[in-house]
Amino acid sequence: DTGVSQNPRHKITKRGQNVTFRCDPISEHNRLYWYRQTLGQGPEFLTYFQNEAQLEKSRLLSDRFSAERPKGSFSTLEIQRTEQGDSAMYLCASSIRAAGTDTQYFGPGTRLTVL
Amino acid sequence: RKEVEQDPGPFNVPEGATVAFNCTYSNSASQSFFWYRQDCRKEPKLLMSVYSSGNEDGRFTAQLNRASQYISLLIRDSKLSDSATYLCVVKGGSYIPTFGRGTSLIVHP
Repeated sequence: DTGVSQNPRHKITKRGQNVTFRCDPISEHNRLYWYRQTLGQGPEFLTYFQNEAQLEKSRLLSDRFSAERPKGSFSTLEIQRTEQGDSAMYLCASSIRAAGTDTQYFGPGTRLTVL
Repeated sequence: RKEVEQDPGPFNVPEGATVAFNCTYSNSASQSFFWYRQDCRKEPKLLMSVYSSGNEDGRFTAQLNRASQYISLLIRDSKLSDSATYLCVVKGGSYIPTFGRGTSLIVHP
């Protein structure tokens, strides 16, 4: 499968615990994005990497959230001291600029439930 | 005003109907526009890009109106399988796309 993959697909945790999600982008894609989506809303941008550099970070991303892409390939998103409001679908997307366009391909997401 | 606004619907139409969605955006400097489709509990998938001159892909037609700052999606001859949420996406000069909340379409027999 050469698409974007995310692990785990589902995560249930208790409030106050730390969680980490992984995203493996399409192999030749140098751009990687993290989004959060709640029911009835579109995906909200969290952060963006070009290769290993984190170039953009949303104001939505509190200091409990951190993301890395150490070798410009896979990425991790960590949430520390989870809160019930963190419950959402976390989506990863990757892209590469080619022929004047930059289409994002999404992974299946990680659904987080904070009890 | 939100950066990208869509009527959440749902739009409930019979098979074979023609249905149109609009999406308005607030940033006049926006450069790229897309429609994504999202099925229930699945990830968004690109339906089509929207070009200045308008573009068509089978039963789907996308239009851009820069003067009024909206894009539209027209679906002709609706199929049951078209039932989904349609997300409008707008990008400005940065790398960051902004998604609308989506418009829900239900096509019934």
